[in-house]
Amino acid sequence: QVQLQESGPGLVKPSETLSLTCTVSGGSISGYYWSWIRQPAGKGLEWIGRIYTIGDTKYNPSLKSRVVMSVDTSKSQFSLKLNSVTAADTSVYYCARAPPGVACTSTSCIGYFDSWGQGALVTVSS
Amino acid sequence: EIVLTQSPVTLSLSPGERATLSCRASQSIRSYLAWYQQKPGQPPRLLIYDASNRATGIPARFSGSGSGTDFTLTISSLEPEDFAVYYCQQRQNWPLTFGGGTKVEI
Repeated sequence: QVQLQESGPGLVKPSETLSLTCTVSGGSISGYYWSWIRQPAGKGLEWIGRIYTIGDTKYNPSLKSRVVMSVDTSKSQFSLKLNSVTAADTSVYYCARAPPGVACTSTSCIGYFDSWGQGALVTVSS
Repeated sequence: EIVLTQSPVTLSLSPGERATLSCRASQSIRSYLAWYQQKPGQPPRLLIYDASNRATGIPARFSGSGSGTDFTLTISSLEPEDFAVYYCQQRQNWPLTFGGGTKVEI
């Protein structure tokens, strides 16, 4: 059974860069879409972006100017960098796996999030 | 961006009762909708995909229906472990979006 584990600093200063890594174990990183999703305390879920194992990325337009995702298939890891952070970026950050969908939509073949990490709380504060 | 509106925000029920949760999309998403369950301190768990298909290991008391803009998650008879927050999510268009959630409480 695949397992995902987020890692990275739990505290980031305002205006600096948030960096997280997700390590995938118990399954292949190839052939799946890998996403970052965040959730402020007591609030709902926001999709940040996804990367396919060949390196193709898609970001949420609301964050696109500040986000970079990358993948290292040799280490079974993918990463998130979010720059110029503010207190509004304080959240639990989840990494998640999505297989290709049973059918492609008009814009994408991504499926749904069937495996998730436990989440990493990142606080933005000086 | 496709906006998903879930209702009600909170649903107060007792074990054994039937729960009916709604998710409405701001435009047609065909059947490209999933439902997730989230308990405190845990990540979401996929329940239903493509509107009406149960994910692996999900009990038969969970069912989904709908297409276009209106979708429903039904829990036929609530078990104690079903009290949680439920989210819908669409994959029709970028960006992927989630509804605001429905809390099912005792």
